[in-house]
This record gives sequence, C-alpha cells and structure tokens, in this order.
Amino acid sequence: GQQLNQSPQSMFIQEGEDVSMNCTSSSIFNTWLWYKQDPGEGPVLLIALYKAGELTSNGRLTAQFGITRKDSFLNISASIPSDVGIYFCAGQNRSARQLTFGSGTQLTVLP
Amino acid sequence: GAVVSQHPSRVICKSGTSVKIECRSLDFQATTMFWYRQFPKQSLMLMATSNEGSKATYEQGVEKDKFLINHASLTLSTLTVTSAHPEDSSFYICSALGHLSYEQYFGPGTRLTVT
Repeated sequence: GQQLNQSPQSMFIQEGEDVSMNCTSSSIFNTWLWYKQDPGEGPVLLIALYKAGELTSNGRLTAQFGITRKDSFLNISASIPSDVGIYFCAGQNRSARQLTFGSGTQLTVLP
Repeated sequence: GAVVSQHPSRVICKSGTSVKIECRSLDFQATTMFWYRQFPKQSLMLMATSNEGSKATYEQGVEKDKFLINHASLTLSTLTVTSAHPEDSSFYICSALGHLSYEQYFGPGTRLTVT
C-alpha cells in the first residue's frame, strides 16, 4: 500500500532538547494522526488532527495539520528518556477509514 | 479508553503448519477491524479490512487463501496464517474501529516466528 514520506528516519538528541519530525503525502487526507510505538508493542495514539491548519497540543507534544491537507509535523519539547521509541504519522480518509502509515522516525534520547 | 487485546502475544511454529491469531475488542463493539503486518525496522502495512458478518477485503498483494480472516462477532476477529513459511515471520497487529468513531484502537501485536 501507499506510504507517507516521513522524515527524519532517525534522530539522536540530548535529553532536554526539542525534536521535530514531519510527514508529507501526494494525497489529501481528512485526518492526520501521530502514534508512538515501543519495541514489541502496538502503536499508541498521541495526537489526532481533524481540520486543515489545526494546531493541537498534548503536554509536551504539538502537532499541526497542514493547510494543503498533504502534510503534518510533530514537535516534542524538552525531551526525556521515555520519549525513546518509533514515531509514526498516519493519514486517514473518512470514507475508507483505513490508515496509511508513514515510514517512521526512530528517536533516541541520550542522557 | 477502548481496549483491544491480541492472543497469543508470541508464537513459534514449524514451517507448513497453520497459526491462528485472535483480536478482541474488550469494552466496545467493533464493526470493522484491521490487520497489519510489520517487518523489523519497517512501518505497519495494512493487510486486510475485516467487517463483521461479511468477507474481508484484502490489500493488493496479500493472498486471501493464505491469510484467512474471520470476523464472526462484534468483538472478535481472527487471522489464520495457513501453511506458514519462514518469510511469514513478522509482527502482526490488529486494530478495531468503533462504529461511531473513526479512531482505530490498536492491539499489542503478535510476534510470529516460523522455523
């Protein structure tokens, strides 16, 4: 199936630093979602975005739904060791309700 | 929040045998469930959409006769990997969709190893 272009593929940052990752698509989506996956577990929803231009925060996480409906970014502020994991963006069209996942960003937080 | 379980969490089987993986929505009814496969260091790839009471819809390239899906009730979908081969070794993840929601609730995944 189609995948979204997610970057960067991996990041190594110092604890306390801010992180930014983004996704782009050639297709329009009605909903953008960001998930975190820990090793050996299923993905957990972090933030859901439902309207173009929407900016939503969840604690230290902030995500935006691009105006063109073809992109989204996720920012993590003041990173901590438990932020380590793989972050996936996903696009969804309401008609199909299926999710198309990005390729993932592996985040490593160094103490 | 909504809880989805999978059983087993890990399974090892011999090549040529069949393996059944269960996906259950524990506190809500799911008219639609999805099955994903994830290879190491890769993203989740949708295999099929499972609708209660009807045949599953498979994504292009996924063999319906090899990956049998049964969604017999509003809380249970099963994926059976028939005649498993080592290349079927992967992490299989299901998600469930409530009929009033567009949000998918993911299970914890099943690690399949075929020897």
